[in-house]
Amino acid sequence: EAGVVQSPRYKIIEKKQPVAFWCNPISGHNTLYWYLQNLGQGPELLIRYENEEAVDDSQLPKDRFSAERLKGVDSTLKIQPAELGDSAVYLCASSSSRFTGELFFGEGSRLTVL
Amino acid sequence: SQQGEEDPQALSIQEGENATMNCSYKTSINNLQWYRQNSGRGLVHLILIRSNEREKHSGRLRVTLDTSKKSSSLLITASRAADTASYFCATETSGSRLTFGEGTQLTVNP
Repeated sequence: EAGVVQSPRYKIIEKKQPVAFWCNPISGHNTLYWYLQNLGQGPELLIRYENEEAVDDSQLPKDRFSAERLKGVDSTLKIQPAELGDSAVYLCASSSSRFTGELFFGEGSRLTVL
Repeated sequence: SQQGEEDPQALSIQEGENATMNCSYKTSINNLQWYRQNSGRGLVHLILIRSNEREKHSGRLRVTLDTSKKSSSLLITASRAADTASYFCATETSGSRLTFGEGTQLTVNP
């Protein structure tokens, strides 16, 4: 069974440029998460989807961040415009139930903003 | 914001020794989970303990939960060099939000 797939693995951009990350969850997993992880810290939730619906996006900085999960399968996280402080790893995870249990993580997308 | 705090922040031991990591949290939880993260990789789920459970085992892992003290510990017995990684506790609160702590960096020296 394929795991959570994220792309790109690495992205280097200049500040004020846009960037997008893509995530394909494990087949059949209805719940999808985007986490941000700064160096040396634990992941912080940005947004959680139940199928196509964003059920927890209170920590998503909506002035520059946006996310979508069309058709309730794969998802895209966008930053526009990027700032220096956005340099981090963006992790996608999925689970089979909104009552949590085990989360399956992708390898992450490492963003460097110059 | 982080709900859990791990202690210690870093731990260095010799192969064969036991490693103990602690996690404290602030609010009531539904369950507590432990994850491992190798450098540059995603997180991998290790074990889940529910709020009505006190101890759980999985292979060389032993997790305890004390809800009265709002704390948990992860014990890795007979550690191996391959156990070198960061370990995170994560608490699930009402609303099904899973919140991670800052992590413990474990180094197992061969």
